[in-house]
Amino acid sequence: SYELTQPPSVSVSPGQTASITCSGDTLGDKYACWYQQKPGQSPVLVIYQDNKRPSGIPERFSGSNSGNTATLTISGTQAMDEADYYCQAWDSSTAKVIFGGGTKLTVL
Amino acid sequence: EVHLLESGGGLVQPGGSLRLSCAASGFTFSSYAMSWVRQAPGKGLEWVSTISGSGGSTYYADSVKGRFTISRDISKNTLYLQMNSLRAEDTAAYYCAKDPLSGSYTYYFDYWGQGTLVTVSS
Repeated sequence: SYELTQPPSVSVSPGQTASITCSGDTLGDKYACWYQQKPGQSPVLVIYQDNKRPSGIPERFSGSNSGNTATLTISGTQAMDEADYYCQAWDSSTAKVIFGGGTKLTVL
Repeated sequence: EVHLLESGGGLVQPGGSLRLSCAASGFTFSSYAMSWVRQAPGKGLEWVSTISGSGGSTYYADSVKGRFTISRDISKNTLYLQMNSLRAEDTAAYYCAKDPLSGSYTYYFDYWGQGTLVTVSS
């Protein structure tokens, strides 16, 4: 079955750039998206179709996807960006939605 | 404004059944695929099931296939998840989520409900 792998945790200093990776076999051939989830809240879409930002998502959030890796980049990270981040893709061969295991972003 | 409100969660014994509902508003319900995604306590997100806008096509995770049934009532703007033969590992918050593309699928989710908690325990 298709799997997406994320690092369990990433730390970043305020104002610096955070990069969160998501790895999967030929992931670059699929569309990847990213969700942000803060404690006690529902997930929020922050990147879709590899690199598009929904309305209302700050410009500091960006995405890329090539080869086997999709990357969520947060430039000028702020304390409010501290959250769990999940990548997600659609596996057309099995008709299933796949989530990565999630990455806890700590801003310290 | 899009609004999704889940209900129906609660405590159920192993082997029991429960039906979750998701009341939708703020968009043309019949035009959009809808999904259920769950999250066990302290764990990550897990896709459960998706249904097309018309209700004619459904998809399930292997972990729930044959036990859960997704459906929708367009006249009531409501999405359902019938859960049978529940197991302890089904304990989770269950979210309904909306596909952003009218008339088709994008296989990602632009709006999520607040979730309803299902606990399977004796």
